[in-house]
Amino acid sequence: AQSVTQLGSHVSVSEGALVLLRCNYSSSVPPYLFWYVQYPNQGLQLLLKYTTGATLVKGINGFEAEFKKSETSFHLTKPSAHMSDAAEYFCAVSGGSTLGRLYFGRGTQLTVWP
Amino acid sequence: DVKVTQSSRYLVKRTGEKVFLECVQDMDHENMFWYRQDPGLGLRLIYFSYDVKMKEKGDIPEGYSVSREKKERFSLILESASTNQTSMYLCASSPTDYYNSPLHFGNGTRLTVT
Repeated sequence: AQSVTQLGSHVSVSEGALVLLRCNYSSSVPPYLFWYVQYPNQGLQLLLKYTTGATLVKGINGFEAEFKKSETSFHLTKPSAHMSDAAEYFCAVSGGSTLGRLYFGRGTQLTVWP
Repeated sequence: DVKVTQSSRYLVKRTGEKVFLECVQDMDHENMFWYRQDPGLGLRLIYFSYDVKMKEKGDIPEGYSVSREKKERFSLILESASTNQTSMYLCASSPTDYYNSPLHFGNGTRLTVT
């Protein structure tokens, strides 16, 4: 079975500080992993994805994530936070018998202080 | 760009009413999904569909039904709306090779049942 745990429902950082959003997954098959971002009153947008190959994945807006199989983790990072990064972030895993379906974590709300 | 359009951004309905939420995608995607989003609970899958006239239950199908008469349109139906169905509803679509082109979301419909 597939599942995702996002540690920390709220994360606050200062502008210019490192952003680290944690995601651990459980999967009975080799996982495909995704990070989505949701700005207020909008749907979700894909930030980045891991399918196969390089374990360090770069996405949009300067975000990146590293797939660590031994730790079953896919943490999202950005070296320097910007005010525009304030949003809710969702980690998701796919795979298993139901192709195309994503299992989402509960989300992490990122606040960026000036 | 893929566009997923949900017909209403905000809806207010009364308890017991039959409610239709409409979703249309313009990229000929095979897969379509309805998620419900509640604070602290993330996204939970209600129903999904892999093809016209096909539907599969997700994690929380009780009180909902769906219809997919055309490939581009996926409707969510609340047979008799209740206050506990007040929520944000997100429609999404993906092609068969979802791992290369994962879920594309609409902007959501915020439903209030009074």
